[in-house]
Amino acid sequence: NAGVTQTPKFRVLKTGQSMTLLCAQDMNHEYMYWYRQDPGMGLRLIHYSVGEGTTAKGEVPDGYNVSRLKKQNFLLGLESAAPSQTSVYFCASSYSDEAYGYTFGSGTRLTVV
Amino acid sequence: RKEVEQDPGPFNVPEGATVAFNCTYSNSASQSFFWYRQDCRKEPKLLMSVYSSGNEDGRFTAQLNRASQYISLLIRDSKLSDSATYLCVVNSGYNKLIFGAGTRLAVHP
Repeated sequence: NAGVTQTPKFRVLKTGQSMTLLCAQDMNHEYMYWYRQDPGMGLRLIHYSVGEGTTAKGEVPDGYNVSRLKKQNFLLGLESAAPSQTSVYFCASSYSDEAYGYTFGSGTRLTVV
Repeated sequence: RKEVEQDPGPFNVPEGATVAFNCTYSNSASQSFFWYRQDCRKEPKLLMSVYSSGNEDGRFTAQLNRASQYISLLIRDSKLSDSATYLCVVNSGYNKLIFGAGTRLAVHP
């Protein structure tokens, strides 16, 4: 089983460029999440989705947009990248039952110069 | 105050040692608690859930103290392969997990 797949794995952007990160899961999970991880700060929730066609803001949503047109895919967009968005981005998915925790993708390392 | 706080470490221990990590959380309404393990430059992976009655899985024991709002993880007979960062995780409601910044463990020969 593939689990949660993120593409791309690495990317370097110039300030002001845009890009989309793709997250795909094959576990029929209802819930999907985008986190960013920065040194010493832990993972912080950017946006999340509780089902196809739904999205909601997390802790640090500014500068990002998301879409969940299909249940298995959750896209994270950066419209105008800034150096402060240099980070490692993790996608995760879960069942609606909170007791099962999350399954994470392997991450996207993004550098904005 | 952070919602989930952990000692960043590092904890440097010899093989075979017993080591314990604590974590405190601020939301008294939290219902689900987890420990995740994260290897360097890898994604977090679920290590174990933490139940009110405690939870043991081989060399790993997790406990929850709701009155004091802390969670603990005990690792017995440490192995080199246990070297990683351990993330304390609390469900904040609506199935959103809040992650601590992690405690780094280094097990040496």
